[in-house]
Amino acid sequence: DAKTTQPPSMDCAEGRAANLPCNHSTISGNEYVYWYRQIHSQGPQYIIHGLKNNETNEMASLIITEDRKSSTLILPHATLRDTAVYYCIVGSNQGGKLIFGQGTELSVKP
Amino acid sequence: GAVVSQHPSWVICKSGTSVKIECRSLDFQATTMFWYRQFPKQSLMLMATSNEGSKATYEQGVEKDKFLINHASLTLSTLTVTSAHPEDSSFYICSAREAGNEQFFGPGTRLTVL
Repeated sequence: DAKTTQPPSMDCAEGRAANLPCNHSTISGNEYVYWYRQIHSQGPQYIIHGLKNNETNEMASLIITEDRKSSTLILPHATLRDTAVYYCIVGSNQGGKLIFGQGTELSVKP
Repeated sequence: GAVVSQHPSWVICKSGTSVKIECRSLDFQATTMFWYRQFPKQSLMLMATSNEGSKATYEQGVEKDKFLINHASLTLSTLTVTSAHPEDSSFYICSAREAGNEQFFGPGTRLTVL
């Protein structure tokens, strides 16, 4: 079973920040938090990952709570092309498998 | 990010035939490759994990004799669906990772069995 809980769907206005929450209360000390997204009929796209510090790249920011039991993916200026299913996954960085949950379906609206 | 390709992107076959799907890591050596399947409006389900040069590890409920996986090199893994039936119609996705790095996914292969 997936180790994460995400809301099934969210809406966001174009140009605004999209904040996608994820609960992972059973995360273990050596497990990372990974975020991927899947646009319809395509393979998942890697977004970002982190262990305990906040991370930022050209696509998004990842905020991990101090107790590591939850995190938030932030898309700073959502566009229509960001409409996708976003998956939050916890897993090992040492070749471990990634188990997908149901994800959050983000709809960015004009 | 790293690039993973799949071939073919879609395939239609008759019931009872076998279909081979290729997964390649184009710009890195993948020590581990993974195969997933995805039914409409559902999430990805992990089928198996394969490490180069060794036998694949299948998830519970996945028939290893029906879904043959070969990981012959650090850049190529193949999934063969043997004696395919309509219920095997699905979206098959591979992913690959280099040791210590994140996983990158292929674009997927749409299989339709008539």
